[in-house]
Amino acid sequence: DAGVTQSPTHLIKTRGQHVTLRCSPISGHKSVSWYQQVLGQGPQFIFQYYEKEERGRGNFPDRFSARQFPNYSSELNVNALLLGDSALYLCASSSDRTYKNIQYFGAGTRLSVL
Amino acid sequence: AQSVSQHNHHVILSEAASLELGCNYSYGGTVNLFWYVQYPGQHLQLLLKYFSGDPLVKGIKGFEAEFIKSKFSFNLRKPSVQWSDTAEYFCAVNSPNFGNEKLTFGTGTRLTIIP
Repeated sequence: DAGVTQSPTHLIKTRGQHVTLRCSPISGHKSVSWYQQVLGQGPQFIFQYYEKEERGRGNFPDRFSARQFPNYSSELNVNALLLGDSALYLCASSSDRTYKNIQYFGAGTRLSVL
Repeated sequence: AQSVSQHNHHVILSEAASLELGCNYSYGGTVNLFWYVQYPGQHLQLLLKYFSGDPLVKGIKGFEAEFIKSKFSFNLRKPSVQWSDTAEYFCAVNSPNFGNEKLTFGTGTRLTIIP
């Protein structure tokens, strides 16, 4: 079975640009979460979506937005990119909303902002 | 708000040595606890988890962790490490009391095993 897939793998942007990152969850998983992992740090929670609705939002500015589609795939959008947005962006999926879920992570999209 | 502390930033061990990586969390309510591992060039993978019940949990590849509620700790152990255990290890916590599945991660411990 395919795991969580993310695209693109790597991305280089300049300050002020906009970026869209994509995630396909494991088949049958309805929940998708996004995390930002800055070099040398642990992942930080950005968003969780379940059944196309936002279920949680981390401490990130409004430049960050996301959505989930009817097939449960998801997009993370970041506007007006800053140098500090350079990071590995991770997507995780889980099967439902119960708290005894395991989140399965994709390999991530490495974003470099120049 | 939850926080997770991993005080060992980089640990270097020889093969066959015993391992213990520390993890402390701050939230006093009901928690779920996880250890994830990130091998070089690979994605985060779950090593083991604690939801409830026996505080000593066993995971893959011979790892185990003990939940000590009074100490807010969930330390990871392995009696005899192998070169292939070289990786970054992350402790994480979430809680059913926060309305979503958000995982709060520690800063990670880089483990280097010397053959």
